[in-house]
Amino acid sequence: QKEVEQDPGPLSVPEGAIVSLNCTYSNSAFQYFMWYRQYSRKGPELLMYTYSSGNKEDGRFTAQVDKSSKYISLFIRDSQPSDSATYLCAMSGNFNKFYFGSGTKLNVKP
Amino acid sequence: SQTIHQWPATLVQPVGSPLSLECTVEGTSNPNLYWYRQAAGRGLQLLFYSVGIGQISSEVPQNLSASRPQDRQFILSSKKLLLSDSGFYLCAWKRSVNEQYFGPGTRLTVT
Repeated sequence: QKEVEQDPGPLSVPEGAIVSLNCTYSNSAFQYFMWYRQYSRKGPELLMYTYSSGNKEDGRFTAQVDKSSKYISLFIRDSQPSDSATYLCAMSGNFNKFYFGSGTKLNVKP
Repeated sequence: SQTIHQWPATLVQPVGSPLSLECTVEGTSNPNLYWYRQAAGRGLQLLFYSVGIGQISSEVPQNLSASRPQDRQFILSSKKLLLSDSGFYLCAWKRSVNEQYFGPGTRLTVT
């Protein structure tokens, strides 16, 4: 079993839709959670990071963590074509390594 | 601010040839540095990480090696490339327990 599971998609939505991206994990030592956005042929860009269970909002993006269910989500409100990219979740604990999901490819249609 | 550089941006190499990819970080000292490989349409595979000069932890590869000759320099090497070494190579540094930043990547094609 992979330590981090992420639905690879692709996910196709119309412009303006609310997008929900999700990851599950198995290691209860994970305490820190991140979301990255990766455009084609570019390095991943850190979008948001969070520590505790609950919600964190940044503009149109909301990161949600439910440690009891080992489930994290990224919501994108009012999605735009420029949001079309692959989204990777990542997590870590009090150690040096980061664990990534395989990424969900999102396409926002104009 | 911190910046991470990688070169070359793209590389086409024949099977059996050597490889050297370089990564440098500006604006920070003694960073934790990482090499990842991303195959087409796949997730990130951690190859090596380093917590300091000369300190390398290897995760997976058999024919790849890494070195850290200076505080902010991380090099990925191979003596003989395989077809399966093709991919997108990413260097990253760890700013904090929940912040890891990536370079622009090197796209390697082994022919």
